[in-house]
Amino acid sequence: QVQLVESGGGVVQPGRSLTVSCVVSGLTFSGSGFHWVRQAPGKGLEWVAVIWYDGSNKYYADSVKGRFTISRDNSKNTVYLQMNSLRVEDTAVYYCTKDRALGHFDYWGQGTLVTVSS
Amino acid sequence: EIVLTQSPATLSVSPGERATLSCRASQSINNYLAWYQQKPGQAPRLLIYDASNRATGIPARFSGSGSGTDFTLTISSLEPEDFAVYYCQQRSNWPPWTFGQGTKVEIK
Repeated sequence: QVQLVESGGGVVQPGRSLTVSCVVSGLTFSGSGFHWVRQAPGKGLEWVAVIWYDGSNKYYADSVKGRFTISRDNSKNTVYLQMNSLRVEDTAVYYCTKDRALGHFDYWGQGTLVTVSS
Repeated sequence: EIVLTQSPATLSVSPGERATLSCRASQSINNYLAWYQQKPGQAPRLLIYDASNRATGIPARFSGSGSGTDFTLTISSLEPEDFAVYYCQQRSNWPPWTFGQGTKVEIK
């Protein structure tokens, strides 16, 4: 079955960097686009970034543009989110999700918690 | 950016009753709306895509309707496992892809 497994979360100080990963199995990875969606504690869902199936297009939320970078390695079935210049307001559970038809999310990982705190 | 407004914020319903959740878009999004269910400590789960299509494995008691700016998720007869938070989300105008703020369905 389809599985998305995130890792790499943790506690990081403001201004520092962190990279979270998402290993995907059970589907044709190279034929799928992927998004990152985050959820701050006790809050709703916020879309963060997307990468097309072939990596040709990437889009970011205004709140992370210029600080976060999404990438993929088709040889490792893995999607990455590199987060630089982290802020307290970036504290959230980060979910990796598979794209369905340019913008619905049909499979989700269990999430990885990123806490930005001094 | 398209803003999605969900109502009510909280819906108190008894098991076996019908629940009706609403989502209104700030401009027309055709039928490009999805609904997700999220239980505490879990990732969201896709229920409905493109306004009215049930995702794989979703029970028939969940149905979606609407187009343009007004959408509805109906749960025909609430089961104990249906008490959760529900989010709507649009894919019509992007980036960004946007979500509503959520409706919590609680036990009455």
